[in-house]
Amino acid sequence: AQKVTQAQTEISVVEKEDVTLDCVYETRDTTYYLFWYKQPPSGELVFLIRRNSFDEQNEISGRYSWNFQKSTSSFNFTITASQVVDSAVYFCALSETASKIIFGSGTRLSIRP
Amino acid sequence: EAGVAQSPRYKIIEKRQSVAFWCNPISGHATLYWYQQILGQGPKLLIQFQNNGVVDDSQLPKDRFSAERLKGVDSTLKIQPAKLEDSAVYLCASSFLGRGRNNEQFFGPGTRLTVL
Repeated sequence: AQKVTQAQTEISVVEKEDVTLDCVYETRDTTYYLFWYKQPPSGELVFLIRRNSFDEQNEISGRYSWNFQKSTSSFNFTITASQVVDSAVYFCALSETASKIIFGSGTRLSIRP
Repeated sequence: EAGVAQSPRYKIIEKRQSVAFWCNPISGHATLYWYQQILGQGPKLLIQFQNNGVVDDSQLPKDRFSAERLKGVDSTLKIQPAKLEDSAVYLCASSFLGRGRNNEQFFGPGTRLTVL
């Protein structure tokens, strides 16, 4: 069965600090996709990144970076030099090629000025 | 480009009443999804349409929930009768192709339902 675990329910840091959001997944498939979404207070889910299981290269996009490690079934998300606008709930998600997307329970990130 | 539209944004009803939500996906997107997001949880897929056909409704409580996408464009999700545990945000999403095909889902702002 597929499962996504985001053990950190809430994180609070001071602006400009770096912060890492953890994501651990379970799947029996060898082909799958991993995602991160941001949900600001407005409620809309904003797509951040998609990774397929055959691409373990880490990715950097501005202040955001993602560390995909199949050996530990983890897909962690790091925000460098955090800003108040980064405050939101962040969801990690998993999709096997022939079934639905499963979301984790989310991590609420608060950036204090 | 216009995003996924949903209405209403908020709805308060009493238990045993009926309610309907509307979603208009991004133009040209063949696939439409309805998710239920209970407070403090991640979204859970209720139903997926490919054009006007149902691809997956395995997690839709069919005794009280129904959804349709008659012309393969906009969609309506109905709850009849509502229960207290139906209080949640109902998110609509659309994608150009189906899920699991390296395809991004675009989400609407959601409808927050409160059942009293």
